[in-house]
Amino acid sequence: DGGITQSPKYLFRKEGQNVTLSCEQNLNHDAMYWYRQDPGQGLRLIYYSQIVNDFQKGDIAEGYSVSREKKESFPLTVTSAQKNPTAFYLCASSKRRTEAFFGQGTRLTVV
Amino acid sequence: DQQVKQNSPSLSVQEGRISILNCDYTNSMFDYFLWYKKYPAEGPTFLISISSIKDKNEDGRFTVFLNKSAKHLSLHIVPSQPGDSAVYFCAASHYNQGGKLIFGQGTELSVKP
Repeated sequence: DGGITQSPKYLFRKEGQNVTLSCEQNLNHDAMYWYRQDPGQGLRLIYYSQIVNDFQKGDIAEGYSVSREKKESFPLTVTSAQKNPTAFYLCASSKRRTEAFFGQGTRLTVV
Repeated sequence: DQQVKQNSPSLSVQEGRISILNCDYTNSMFDYFLWYKKYPAEGPTFLISISSIKDKNEDGRFTVFLNKSAKHLSLHIVPSQPGDSAVYFCAASHYNQGGKLIFGQGTELSVKP
């Protein structure tokens, strides 16, 4: 089955800890994206990548880092510099200039 | 700077009637618009899209209208069904930014039997 997979579904982080969210797609899409959703708000773009080994900051990149070493994978690291990391994180992929397909999301909670 | 705005956080309609969800944008460079449907704790699913060279696109019960002069688009659902109850997001992109999507805040639609 083709699709986009995020793991884990739930993640708990201690204060000052870095955590990495996984995103894998087998749709052969060039572009991949990370969004964050907070209660009552829309989806805000964290980082995006249009091609392997290249990525750009979105609107709220501070405190996050990404890598794009393989076409299929676009992991997101939430660093200790992110002051308010509790949120629902969504990964998406697309071919150029078409609709994006989303994963099922990761709920990150700081404990 | 909110480039894509959905000013109605919620909408309630009766089953069988029309649902109209609205979206406004400020960036005249946007040339591709999409609507997504989202259930709680799940990823959004794509519904329908429209290019700026068109003013209407239909897919079954869903129709998207684009008014470029007003920088406004709307999603019509006819007839509305209880299963349509979800949060609807509009999104926009433009060619110079490689297709990244900018989303509105969402409108929660409730369709009552």
